[in-house]
Amino acid sequence: AQTVTQSQPEMSVQEAETVTLSCTYDTSESDYYLFWYKQPPSRQMILVIRQEAYKQQNATENRFSVNFQKAAKSFSLKISDSQLGDAAMYFCAYRDLLDSGYALNFGKGTSLLVTP
Amino acid sequence: DAGVIQSPRHEVTEMGQEVTLRCKPISGHNSLFWYRQTMMRGLELLIYFNNNVPIDDSGMPEDRFSAKMPNASFSTLKIQPSEPRDSAVYFCACLSEGEGNGELFFGEGSRLTVL
Repeated sequence: AQTVTQSQPEMSVQEAETVTLSCTYDTSESDYYLFWYKQPPSRQMILVIRQEAYKQQNATENRFSVNFQKAAKSFSLKISDSQLGDAAMYFCAYRDLLDSGYALNFGKGTSLLVTP
Repeated sequence: DAGVIQSPRHEVTEMGQEVTLRCKPISGHNSLFWYRQTMMRGLELLIYFNNNVPIDDSGMPEDRFSAKMPNASFSTLKIQPSEPRDSAVYFCACLSEGEGNGELFFGEGSRLTVL
């Protein structure tokens, strides 16, 4: 199965500042999806942003954007103008249509702390 | 739509007891997934159904675990007998293949504690 690696167990950012969460993945496929999910203390898994591998343009959702480097198999998440409500676990996930059907493979997560 | 509904939200049981976790997916979503989340192992896929048929159960840890999807609106994950190492949060998730964008919709999870 494809592996997803998040090398930062914990990150901290000051309110209104910018933070980047790292994610790398391993795959031999050329077509796949990548996701960032947020899990606040409520446990609910919330989709933050999604990227299709065939698209060269980096996805953006308001204050959230990604830096997708297909050749390097890297998919980092940038959070701009951080807010207290951004504090949560962030999971990077990979999905292709061949080995695992529609299932997602998740990284171990990065815990983001936002300080006032 | 009410989203993915899981029950119970919390379950505390003693080792050896049977545990049944329940999931009602979003109407029309024809793929359903059971994930387990622990601090040590993160989010692990246990089993995946498509149109009520189990497609991949390679993540089910042992024979003590079983899952069913008798119809499109209901699935269960059963652990019998339960052990302390089964303590985790169990998530049910679903998606509609017709959407094509691959977003999984998650329930709020069932936190299981086995004493």
